[in-house]
Amino acid sequence: EDQVTQSPEALRLQEGESSSLNCSYTVSGLRGLFWYRQDPGKGPEFLFTLYSAGEEKEKERLKATLTKKESFLHITAPKPEDSATYLCAVQAGGSYIPTFGRGTSLIVHP
Amino acid sequence: DAGITQSPRHKVTETGTPVTLRCHQTENHRYMYWYRQDPGHGLRLIHYSYGVKDTDKGEVSDGYSVSRSKTEDFLLTLESATSSQTSVYFCAISESGSSGNTIYFGEGSWLTVV
Repeated sequence: EDQVTQSPEALRLQEGESSSLNCSYTVSGLRGLFWYRQDPGKGPEFLFTLYSAGEEKEKERLKATLTKKESFLHITAPKPEDSATYLCAVQAGGSYIPTFGRGTSLIVHP
Repeated sequence: DAGITQSPRHKVTETGTPVTLRCHQTENHRYMYWYRQDPGHGLRLIHYSYGVKDTDKGEVSDGYSVSRSKTEDFLLTLESATSSQTSVYFCAISESGSSGNTIYFGEGSWLTVV
């Protein structure tokens, strides 16, 4: 059973159309939640780490938020260059190794 | 740029042959990882290392072995390649084993087993 679930699997937006990606987790003892961006043919690129409920982090058009059961990656006024797969990973319990979700593929049309 | 170099970047090999993928880092990080990424499965951990000559298995370690004789190099060997091992392989590194242990990825090695 997946401990980290990302939704939707795929999302198509028009340029400027804001939206959110979801990462829900069922682990206990959260130690860190990570967001990555992955472009086709490339390795995942680190975006954010969140540690506790209520925490928020921003980078350009992206803002990540965290609750006790899920995280959202908000994309404000996206541009075509924001098109990528966004991965969420959770570090929990006694392990320092994150568990990854399957990702959300985002396409932003001009 | 996380200072990680994977080689080869692309390889086609025949079933039954051994294959070695190399990961080289310039960050002097203690922890190194090998993942594979497949459609429908996401990133799955194969093996990891927490120091020179210290390695452990991940969730999909069958058919793979690793070695780490120097801090900067982590080798992944497919002992006898099978078609199910066709995948893209990512090496990753991290500095610590504590909370917020951010993992940084290389650019990937695409392996096709025919």
